[in-house]
Amino acid sequence: ELKVEQNPLFLSMQEGKNYTIYCNYSTTSDRLYWYRQDPGKSLESLFVLLSNGAVKQEGRLMASLDTKARLSTLHITAAVHDLSATYFCAVVYGGTSYGKLTFGQGTILTVHP
Amino acid sequence: ETGVTQTPRHLVMGMTNKKSLKCEQHLGHNAMYWYKQSAKKPLELMFVYSLEERVENNSVPSRFSPECPNSSHLFLHLHTLQPEDSALYLCASSQDLGAEPLNEQFFGPGTRLTVL
Repeated sequence: ELKVEQNPLFLSMQEGKNYTIYCNYSTTSDRLYWYRQDPGKSLESLFVLLSNGAVKQEGRLMASLDTKARLSTLHITAAVHDLSATYFCAVVYGGTSYGKLTFGQGTILTVHP
Repeated sequence: ETGVTQTPRHLVMGMTNKKSLKCEQHLGHNAMYWYKQSAKKPLELMFVYSLEERVENNSVPSRFSPECPNSSHLFLHLHTLQPEDSALYLCASSQDLGAEPLNEQFFGPGTRLTVL
């Protein structure tokens, strides 16, 4: 059974600071997704990482994937209040043609002035 | 309408009621999904339909019954639910079989279900 673990689960940051969220998964996969969820809202796709060493950046967020270590990171640079949300990583498993995703528990990020 | 839509957005029902959740995707995708999001638990995949056939049923109790009449519509029929079934139910869709990036799922806004 695939397990996906994120840490930390809760992250309180000051504006302007940097931090990293980690996503570990237990079995081989070459596709990993990061999603953002605002309170009461749905999930918004942030990044799709498809191969070992993949790095993607959008604004103050940068995601990377190390398939050998079964680890993805989501790095936040110079945090701003608008980044406050819950962030999920999700990993594809099962070798199916459709997307069978297992999600991490989510990291609740709060950015303070 | 664009993306993935879900109705109703909020639903309160008694344990003896029967209700249905509806999902519609306007993205031309060929796979649709139901997820359950409970407080303090990761998102749980419930059902997957690929090309209108159910391909996954993750040990979901029979009081939840999905239906996919065509590739754009997905229903979740509910009956004799329990209070622990209260959760946010999310629908998603993706384009599989050769699309890039493969299997990226797009989510609807969800239905917040409360079972009394």
